[in-house]
Amino acid sequence: ETGVTQTPRHLVMGMTNKKSLKCEQHLGHNAMYWYKQSAKKPLELMFVYSLEERVENNSVPSRFSPECPNSSHLFLHLHTLQPEDSALYLCASSQGASDYEQYFGPGTRLTVT
Amino acid sequence: QKEVEQNSGPLSVPEGAIASLNCTYSDRGSQSFFWYRQYSGKSPELIMFIYSNGDKEDGRFTAQLNKASQYVSLLIRDSQPSDSATYLCAVEPFSGAGSYQLTFGKGTKLSVIP
Repeated sequence: ETGVTQTPRHLVMGMTNKKSLKCEQHLGHNAMYWYKQSAKKPLELMFVYSLEERVENNSVPSRFSPECPNSSHLFLHLHTLQPEDSALYLCASSQGASDYEQYFGPGTRLTVT
Repeated sequence: QKEVEQNSGPLSVPEGAIASLNCTYSDRGSQSFFWYRQYSGKSPELIMFIYSNGDKEDGRFTAQLNKASQYVSLLIRDSQPSDSATYLCAVEPFSGAGSYQLTFGKGTKLSVIP
């Protein structure tokens, strides 16, 4: 256990559905991240939040919408996804948003049908 | 474009041997370097980080950094079957300069044969 939890662990959704992924960190960290991990590709950084403010958005399609209501919680709202969005979505946190070690949650395995 | 390159493997070593995992990076300004271990079906787990040139040892693991040659390596001594996993190299380009990008390699799959 790294102190970062994610729910749900598995999610199957249709292309017209709306769903949300949740991440919670119990480490007292100030930065949180969403990553996408697809087969045979490097981890892709999607969003970074530092002290609840979005500080990086790596050209992610608008069908992915992050929300960070406080420094312990991070959400990823999903809407009208495509099958190619099927992947493992990982949340991570770190003490600060640069030059600090990142700790990952267990991930949500998303399948878009 | 910042890149982090790793040999995808699989790298097979016998139990008890030294496993050597290598990583090269393209951004000469990179400051921080991390090794993550990822078991199949699990999330990445941070096992080592190194910021300065030279070696850093932690138990059976040694991270080596050579900024002039732009490579970082991970040595695993006395390899065990439980070390079988994919090892991800990650590089952070700046130190406290407002960059939040951690660039990952595709990972090297290590298999330790009993």
